[in-house]
Amino acid sequence: KAGVTQTPRYLIKTRGQQVTLSCSPISGHRSVSWYQQTPGQGLQFLFEYFSETQRNKGNFPGRFSGRQFSNSRSEMNVSTLELGDSALYLCASSLTITSGRDPGNEQFFGPGTRLTVL
Amino acid sequence: GENVEQHPSTLSVQEGDSAVIKCTYSDSASNYFPWYKQELGKGPQLIIDIRSNVGEKKDQRIAVTLNKTAKHFSLHITETQPEDSAVYFCAASMRVGYGGATNKLIFGTGTLLAVQP
Repeated sequence: KAGVTQTPRYLIKTRGQQVTLSCSPISGHRSVSWYQQTPGQGLQFLFEYFSETQRNKGNFPGRFSGRQFSNSRSEMNVSTLELGDSALYLCASSLTITSGRDPGNEQFFGPGTRLTVL
Repeated sequence: GENVEQHPSTLSVQEGDSAVIKCTYSDSASNYFPWYKQELGKGPQLIIDIRSNVGEKKDQRIAVTLNKTAKHFSLHITETQPEDSAVYFCAASMRVGYGGATNKLIFGTGTLLAVQP
């Protein structure tokens, strides 16, 4: 079974631009979560989508948004890029929702998209 | 506030020795504690997890212990091998909002483990 795939793997943008990242979950998985990983802040939760609906959101500004399609694929968009948005963006898929009452559903991470903002 | 502290940030051991990584959390209602291993160029991979109703869990050379009273949990790797070299992250579930209906994982800052052959 194929793992979680993320495209593109590397991206270079300039301040003020916007970017869209894509994530294809493991077949049969309906939940996709997004995380930002930086050396200073570590892994931080952005949001989770399940059945095309955002179910939970982290403490990030509204410039960070996402969506999920009927085939469970998800996209994340960052508008008006800032230098501080440079990070590795990871997506993780799970069979079912992970940010609900039971957080113990295993998440499978993709390799990430390395975003550099100049 | 949301906080998971992880120590040490780097750890170097000789092949065959044991390695211990410790984490503390702040939310007394946290009930799920996974550990992830991240190799260079890859995403984190779950290696073991423990729930709050269990004090210890073991899987071959890896074990995790949980002390709910002190709000800390630890990862123990015995008989370390060079392929254990990676960054290890602990995480704890944390309630979001009221009623405990939603949770999110709060991650520690990671431990770079180097196993010297």
